[in-house]
Amino acid sequence: NAGVTQTPKFRVLKTGQSMTLLCAQDMNHEYMYWYRQDPGMGLRLIHYSVGEGTTAKGEVPDGYNVSRLKKQNFLLGLESAAPSQTSVYFCASSPDQDTQYFGPGTRLTVL
Amino acid sequence: KQEVTQIPAALSVPEGENLVLNCSFTDSAIYNLQWFRQDPGKGLTSLLLIQSSQREQTSGRLNASLDKSSGRSTLYIAASQPGDSATYLCAVTPQSGTYKYIFGTGTRLKVLA
Repeated sequence: NAGVTQTPKFRVLKTGQSMTLLCAQDMNHEYMYWYRQDPGMGLRLIHYSVGEGTTAKGEVPDGYNVSRLKKQNFLLGLESAAPSQTSVYFCASSPDQDTQYFGPGTRLTVL
Repeated sequence: KQEVTQIPAALSVPEGENLVLNCSFTDSAIYNLQWFRQDPGKGLTSLLLIQSSQREQTSGRLNASLDKSSGRSTLYIAASQPGDSATYLCAVTPQSGTYKYIFGTGTRLKVLA
């Protein structure tokens, strides 16, 4: 039982490049979330999903897209990376509206 | 708009001290409040979850209280240990059905041996 895993752990991009972050959970949770964490700002919700095939915008969705084609996977895409997207990205999943289980994070640097 | 604040931003204490971390929120209409621990370079681990109808929750040396009317929660750590060193974050779920956590900026705790 791996819990929530994120791929990759680290990535460096140049401005304008695209990439996809993968989040996988093996707990059969309905709900999945993508957050970003910046110094001094806590975690902010980017997008979330309440079930397979659904997605919704969070607090800071601009510049990101997501897909939930399979229940266990939640993908976060950056179509044209910008330096402002340099951050640590966390994925989480939950069976209900209570406890969320977090992945280890992806550290992204955009030059 | 709900805002969550944690004071102090950083705290350094000698081992064995009892300590209190504070979390305040601007809108008392919350569904629940949760305290998390984050170790450097790692994800978040849930410590305690308090539903809006509850006043406190306890787990081992940790006790979290909730006062919705004043928009405050405290995390009490008894007999602190160096292993407690981490960043502690609180988060509120604004209301049922929103599936959104609003996080505070965290308190970075260092317990000195």
